[in-house]
Amino acid sequence: DTEVTQTPKHLVMGMTNKKSLKCEQHMGHRAMYWYKQKAKKPPELMFVYSYEKLSINESVPSRFSPECPNSSLLNLHLHALQPEDSALYLCASSQDPGAGDTIYFGEGSWLTVV
Amino acid sequence: GDSVTQMEGPVTLSEEAFLTINCTYTATGYPSLFWYVQYPGEGLQLLLKATKADDKGSNKGFEATYRKETTSFHLEKGSVQVSDSAVYFCALKAGGGNKLTFGTGTQLKVEL
Repeated sequence: DTEVTQTPKHLVMGMTNKKSLKCEQHMGHRAMYWYKQKAKKPPELMFVYSYEKLSINESVPSRFSPECPNSSLLNLHLHALQPEDSALYLCASSQDPGAGDTIYFGEGSWLTVV
Repeated sequence: GDSVTQMEGPVTLSEEAFLTINCTYTATGYPSLFWYVQYPGEGLQLLLKATKADDKGSNKGFEATYRKETTSFHLEKGSVQVSDSAVYFCALKAGGGNKLTFGTGTQLKVEL
């Protein structure tokens, strides 16, 4: 079973709102990721957690705040977003953060900022 | 740095036609190579992968062979179906890290 579950599937928020995206995996994977995907573009890496510690932050603005409460859960807290942040946000996980290891993606959360 | 180049789309084929989507890469060391598929309105699904030279990945009738000498990982399918219509991304992971480098994606449209 290679399932990464994301909630909510769709989210509309105002620029002054605070919301969170949630991600869960029960595959025992020790690396978890957030990607952002704009229409007709490939996903762009935002954050990587390795063994529950933030290992990569791709210079993401502070209005995006990741959190890894435990090895199965990954959150992305959103605050004071801009309309250009509207995109598909993909969570992913992998067994270990190694070169040969496959990264599995969730279905994504469609975010619209109004 | 690492990079992946895919053929531009969209690619439009008739059902049962042969499919090739070209993918070439530049990377340090010996990367692992992946094809992901994204159906409309969905996330990315792993289609197939190869971790060393001459490996062939295959799944759902799709195949790709890791060619180190030509730094390529072309995706092929002998007979496409309408249900194969999607965007296909070639990607690599290199250097022992956990960053996926994606190509720009190729949209495939299969018509009856």
